[in-house]
Amino acid sequence: DAGVTQSPTHLIKTRGQQVTLRCSPKSGHDTVSWYQQALGQGPQFIFQYYEEEERQRGNFPDRFSGHQFPNYSSELNVNALLLGDSALYLCASSLKILRSYEQYFGPGTRLTVT
Amino acid sequence: AQSVTQPDIHITVSEGASLELRCNYSYGATPYLFWYVQSPGQGLQLLLKYFSGDTLVQGIKGFEAEFKRSQSSFNLRKPSVHWSDAAEYFCAALNTGGFKTIFGAGTRLFVKA
Repeated sequence: DAGVTQSPTHLIKTRGQQVTLRCSPKSGHDTVSWYQQALGQGPQFIFQYYEEEERQRGNFPDRFSGHQFPNYSSELNVNALLLGDSALYLCASSLKILRSYEQYFGPGTRLTVT
Repeated sequence: AQSVTQPDIHITVSEGASLELRCNYSYGATPYLFWYVQSPGQGLQLLLKYFSGDTLVQGIKGFEAEFKRSQSSFNLRKPSVHWSDAAEYFCAALNTGGFKTIFGAGTRLFVKA
């Protein structure tokens, strides 16, 4: 049973560029949440996708956008990158109908903005 | 505002000693509570969760946590620490709407021989 997978593992971008991160949820899961984890900090909630719609959003600017596909996989897009966007981006999946709220996390994508 | 506080940035314990990691939350109503562990270069793994009922919850790897409503706390404990427990531990809370999880800043656990 494949867990949550994320790609790429590492990424280096320049200020002002755009980036797309990808996430495949655990088999059978229908909900994907994205988190930003800066160095030495806890993960910060970016947004959650369920039924291909953004259900809730954390305190992040519109430069951060996402998408969920019919197969439940998801993308996180960040435009006009800033140095402060350098972080580990974590994807977590869960199954909404179970209401167990247990999230399974992927290994993350390390984004470095120079 | 909703928040989760982990007062200890890092803790060092000797192998075989007991461990307690502190967590306090600030929410309008009692949220769902979680403890996660993160090893270097890896994602987060769920150790245990509290939704309701028995205030002492058991988790994986020999961890347990006690929910205390009066203190708004959810402290993680382990009676005997192993060297492999060295990692970063995060307390987290989820509102009952089930959408947004708030994490504490984490406590780094060091285990000395």
